[in-house]
Amino acid sequence: TQLLEQSPQFLSIQEGENLTVYCNSSSVFSSLQWYRQEPGEGPVLLVTVVTGGEVKKLKRLTFQFGDARKDSSLHITAAQTGDTGLYLCAGYTGGFKTIFGAGTRLFVKA
Amino acid sequence: DAGVTQSPTHLIKTRGQQVTLRCSPKSGHDTVSWYQQALGQGPQFIFQYYEEEERQRGNFPDRFSGHQFPNYSSELNVNALLLGDSALYLCASSATIITPYNGYTFGSGTRLTVV
Repeated sequence: TQLLEQSPQFLSIQEGENLTVYCNSSSVFSSLQWYRQEPGEGPVLLVTVVTGGEVKKLKRLTFQFGDARKDSSLHITAAQTGDTGLYLCAGYTGGFKTIFGAGTRLFVKA
Repeated sequence: DAGVTQSPTHLIKTRGQQVTLRCSPKSGHDTVSWYQQALGQGPQFIFQYYEEEERQRGNFPDRFSGHQFPNYSSELNVNALLLGDSALYLCASSATIITPYNGYTFGSGTRLTVV
């Protein structure tokens, strides 16, 4: 059974702080996506990483794919209240199925 | 450019009833996947439709069935509803050939409550 484990499950920080959330698996993925979901809405795609060791930046967000393509991290610099939400990682196995982790719920306080 | 449209947005059903949820994919997308998201959890894969056929299925009972129409829209049907079926049902569309690189576009979901 393929599983994606995300940590921490919940994170509450002050505006301006930095944070890193993690996504780990024992399986190898063809690609890995990060989504952000706000209450009452569907997940919105932030980034896709494909190559082992790949690093992508999206403004204050930095995404890294592990060398073995089994894990990933998301680092946010100088968090803002607008970053509040549920961060989901999702792994594509190539078998027409994308599996999701349980998510990290981030709350940024003003 | 309209994204993924799901209807209805909210639904309340009684145990044992049947429900049909609908999804129109983003323009240019040919593949529809359905996910169930329980409160506080990540989305769980139900099944995926491509070319009007169920291409892959997750670990859900046969009470969950679906259909894809020639215009790529899709329906999710759930029979004999249980309390545990209460969840947010998400439709995700993609263009099959580039799914690994472009991920999914999700609708806002249908919130199903079974009482």
